[in-house]
Amino acid sequence: SAVISQKPSRDICQRGTSLTIQCQVDSQVTMMFWYRQQPGQSLTLIATANQGSEATYESGFVIDKFPISRPNLTFSTLTVSNMSPEDSSIYLCSVGTGPYGYTFGSGTRLTVV
Amino acid sequence: KNEVEQSPQNLTAQEGEFITINCSYSVGISALHWLQQHPGGGIVSLFMLSSGKKKHGRLIATINIQEKHSSLHITASHPRDSAVYICAAISNFGNEKLTFGTGTRLTIIP
Repeated sequence: SAVISQKPSRDICQRGTSLTIQCQVDSQVTMMFWYRQQPGQSLTLIATANQGSEATYESGFVIDKFPISRPNLTFSTLTVSNMSPEDSSIYLCSVGTGPYGYTFGSGTRLTVV
Repeated sequence: KNEVEQSPQNLTAQEGEFITINCSYSVGISALHWLQQHPGGGIVSLFMLSSGKKKHGRLIATINIQEKHSSLHITASHPRDSAVYICAAISNFGNEKLTFGTGTRLTIIP
């Protein structure tokens, strides 16, 4: 199955700034997913990123706040823009690995102060 | 009501105990994942099930499609099993998106 390298693993950021999270996959994949996990909550899908097209955002998430790039079949970035303390969460990327299979990144633990 | 419910939310046990974590879902599914999340946040897929039972080392996962229920068992539990365990269902409505349970925080005491 695919191996994902996610960076950074954690960061502490000032409110009003932006953070870009990167995911690099060791094989070409069609679909990449970005999730948010707020403290004590389950994972919530932010958006699905396909190479060569605009990301598809879930209800409650907008491109201006969470812009996503997918320049090729092995790489994607998620930016958390104009951060506030409410954005403090774990952010994870994931890829599909075949019929119903998924691999997840190691997560980015973001604290906004 | 969440479409995927887990119980218990928290579980503390002594090393060596047999552990059971339950997952119930209310939607039709194509498959169900059991995931393990460590304190750093990274997630590992332990099992993917669409029927029956799977075993890997000390871990066993079962699913009953008719009853919409799955269980994860850990035999001879060890402190290194301490983590959050999450079940995630893949709906059969065509979009194949994962719906996550709220997780079970397991702590194994030496």
